[in-house]
Amino acid sequence: QKEVEQDPGPLSVPEGAIVSLNCTYSNSAFQYFMWYRQYSRKGPELLMYTYSSGNKEDGRFTAQVDKSSKYISLFIRDSQPSDSATYLCAMSAGGNNRLAFGKGNQVVVIP
Amino acid sequence: DGGITQSPKYLFRKEGQNVTLSCEQNLNHDAMYWYRQDPGQGLRLIYYSQIVNDFQKGDIAEGYSVSREKKESFPLTVTSAQKNPTAFYLCASRRSGESTDTQYFGPGTRLTVL
Repeated sequence: QKEVEQDPGPLSVPEGAIVSLNCTYSNSAFQYFMWYRQYSRKGPELLMYTYSSGNKEDGRFTAQVDKSSKYISLFIRDSQPSDSATYLCAMSAGGNNRLAFGKGNQVVVIP
Repeated sequence: DGGITQSPKYLFRKEGQNVTLSCEQNLNHDAMYWYRQDPGQGLRLIYYSQIVNDFQKGDIAEGYSVSREKKESFPLTVTSAQKNPTAFYLCASRRSGESTDTQYFGPGTRLTVL
């Protein structure tokens, strides 16, 4: 079983729809959870960071962590064509200098 | 502006040649990382360095070498021993003492073997 599982997509949605992305993981020691956004031929940029379980909201983006289910989610409200990108989840136990990444989920928002 | 720079943006290599990819950061971060990204494979860790003059192998270090002589710089050499080097290479850095392990990425270098 891979440490982090993420459906690669692609996921196509009409403009204005809610985008729902998720990752599952197997290591119960993970407590720091990140989402990166990567545009084509660019480096990943940090989008959201969450510690432990709970929700975090930043504008149109909401990150959720359910540690009991080992499941994290990213929601994008009122999606825009500029949200078209690959979204990578990443997580760590903290202090060990390495991140475990999902493979990335490609999202296409259709105008 | 603080950030991570990688050069060149595109690099072409002939079979049997060694090439060096540059990574520079002015964020005063102690730790630096090199990843390889292939379609459908996600990010795979090649090498990482937590401090100057020290580095560790990642998951796919064979055919690669690094050096860390300065805090700001972490060049990656792709040697002729790397059997399939065509990929997108990403450099990242992390602030020391940050428990979250959050990494910040450069813009990447696309390497193509001719």
